Amino acid sequence: DSGVTQTPKHLITATGQRVTLRCSPRSGDLSVYWYQQSLDQGLQFLIQYYNGEERAKGNILERFSAQQFPDLHSELNLSSLELGDSALYFCASSVAETPYEQYFGPGTRLTVT
Amino acid sequence: AQSVTQPDIHITVSEGASLELRCNYSYGATPYLFWYVQSPGQGLQLLLKYFSGDTLVQGIKGFEAEFKRSQSSFNLRKPSVHWSDAAEYFCAVGAQGTYKYIFGTGTRLKVLA
Repeated sequence: DSGVTQTPKHLITATGQRVTLRCSPRSGDLSVYWYQQSLDQGLQFLIQYYNGEERAKGNILERFSAQQFPDLHSELNLSSLELGDSALYFCASSVAETPYEQYFGPGTRLTVT
Repeated sequence: AQSVTQPDIHITVSEGASLELRCNYSYGATPYLFWYVQSPGQGLQLLLKYFSGDTLVQGIKGFEAEFKRSQSSFNLRKPSVHWSDAAEYFCAVGAQGTYKYIFGTGTRLKVLA
């Protein structure tokens, strides 16, 4: 158990819908990272927050957005969902702002039908 | 451009045999290097990390890795593989002072009984 929690574990929704994925980092970690993992794209970095502020952006679509709240939990919002958005979404946390070891949550499996 | 290459997509070894997984990186700054393992249906777990100092680093589960600057490599090794080591292994690189954190495409390890 990494100490990072993600909810829900599984999510099934239809195309065009909007979902919110939630992540709680390890106690004491200030950075939260979001990743998308799919068979064809592999593990893709989406976005990083540090202590409530956006720090780095990766291959995140405009339909996706995220935020980190004062209690340090984070949410990833996915809208206008397409079939290709079906993937595993991981949250990771680390203590530092710049690349340090990351601790991954168990992931949320999103299926868009 | 920064990159991480794991040349082997799949590797099969017999239980008890030695293992070496390759990782090559291209990074302008002094890299921070990591190996993660992902078991089926699970999040990624940190095996070991290299920031500086001794180029041979020990990790969990009996794994070790050696940083070779001249070869831009950070290969993961284990002297005797157990069936429970079957998983996907990811090499990752970051650097002090940047927010970039790049994962390789992964190597899937199969262990024969």
